[in-house]
Amino acid sequence: DTAVSQTPKYLVTQMGNDKSIKCEQNLGHDTMYWYKQDSKKFLKIMFSYNNKELIINETVPNRFSPKSPDKAHLNLHINSLELGDSAVYFCASSQNRAAYEQYFGPGTRLTVT
Amino acid sequence: DQQVKQNSPSLSVQEGRISILNCDYTNSMFDYFLWYKKYPAEGPTFLISISSIKDKNEDGRFTVFLNKSAKHLSLHIVPSQPGDSAVYFCAARDTGRRALTFGSGTRLQVQP
Repeated sequence: DTAVSQTPKYLVTQMGNDKSIKCEQNLGHDTMYWYKQDSKKFLKIMFSYNNKELIINETVPNRFSPKSPDKAHLNLHINSLELGDSAVYFCASSQNRAAYEQYFGPGTRLTVT
Repeated sequence: DQQVKQNSPSLSVQEGRISILNCDYTNSMFDYFLWYKKYPAEGPTFLISISSIKDKNEDGRFTVFLNKSAKHLSLHIVPSQPGDSAVYFCAARDTGRRALTFGSGTRLQVQP
């Protein structure tokens, strides 16, 4: 059973399009995260939700909008995609916001052409 | 501003020998340090952690050492096995934001 799953695994799209990435965790965790792994391989936090409430919102263009319909799901919607949005996006979860151990999904490789 | 640095992008060791991966940090507000292992096309998986109030944590073949005065931590793998070949990320959590800050990773290759 996959603990943290993401769909799609690969996403190729053109500049200007709008796309979504979905994330689901079946661990019963309260807190979920989105990270972006850039071309230099750093994983950087973008957003964090705790029980559907936004608790971390890093300096990310407002074209990126997270949505948490329930505590097991955290989706990432990106409007007006740009070339610089090409990256691998990882979803993660932790038991609660105090827990330091995070469990990661397999990643979604987004390529904007 | 890189608060967590892994200065060695790659490391190659022989099977059975010790692997030592290093990590430096700058933020004194980090309260936990973690090592993650990542295989290609997979997400990072948690390996081992250490609290900032400790200087050593051991789990089987993996030991993490923390030197707070030097703001340095290291991961020791003994003995190294070919299956350990992966990218290892050092991460740190700050007490305020409770988000993880990652280093850029070190690719470990264990030669049979």
